[in-house]
Amino acid sequence: IAGITQAPTSQILAAGRRMTLRCTQDMRHNAMYWYRQDLGLGLRLIHYSNTAGTTGKGEVPDGYSVSRANTDDFPLTLASAVPSQTSVYFCASSRATGGANVLTFGAGSRLTVL
Amino acid sequence: AQKITQTQPGMFVQEKEAVTLDCTYDTSDQSYGLFWYKQPSSGEMIFLIYQGSYDEQNATEGRYSLNFQKARKSANLVISASQLGDSAMYFCAMREAYSGAGSYQLTFGKGTKLSVIP
Repeated sequence: IAGITQAPTSQILAAGRRMTLRCTQDMRHNAMYWYRQDLGLGLRLIHYSNTAGTTGKGEVPDGYSVSRANTDDFPLTLASAVPSQTSVYFCASSRATGGANVLTFGAGSRLTVL
Repeated sequence: AQKITQTQPGMFVQEKEAVTLDCTYDTSDQSYGLFWYKQPSSGEMIFLIYQGSYDEQNATEGRYSLNFQKARKSANLVISASQLGDSAMYFCAMREAYSGAGSYQLTFGKGTKLSVIP
């Protein structure tokens, strides 16, 4: 089934540890995104990539980094996790940017930083 | 200032009744798009409906319609004949026209939790 695969589904992490959330899509979408969802705050964009080889900062990029070495993969790295990064992380993709291009979301990764 | 405002944190509706979920937006762009997503308790994000700023007719998708009032900058979601499976969080989102770094991105509201009562 075509879509987005995120891993891990859930993770508990000690503060200060490095963590990479993986995201892979098989739809050959050009654009990919990372959002975090926190209760009462909706979804906020962390980083995005309009096409392979390019990335950009979203609304809340601090403490996170991304890379886009190829079309399919868009990992999100927390270099040194802090408790405020406890959240549900969603990876999404769209065929292109702009207009009516709909975002397809992964199932989410629940991260708890202690 | 918030770009997307959803003023109803929670709503209740009787099964088979219609319900309107409010969404207002703030943009100075002439070209933009408005989206609604549903998030059931299982957590996935499901696309429901899209309205472009230049679309003259309100978008409809099955039981979902978007009441687009451009002058009021509102894009309310109307669900007709509510079903128990409609119980979920609903998010309104906007994509503005290209404006440099961070462009084309969807900005989400904080969501409305809809509960359908049997």
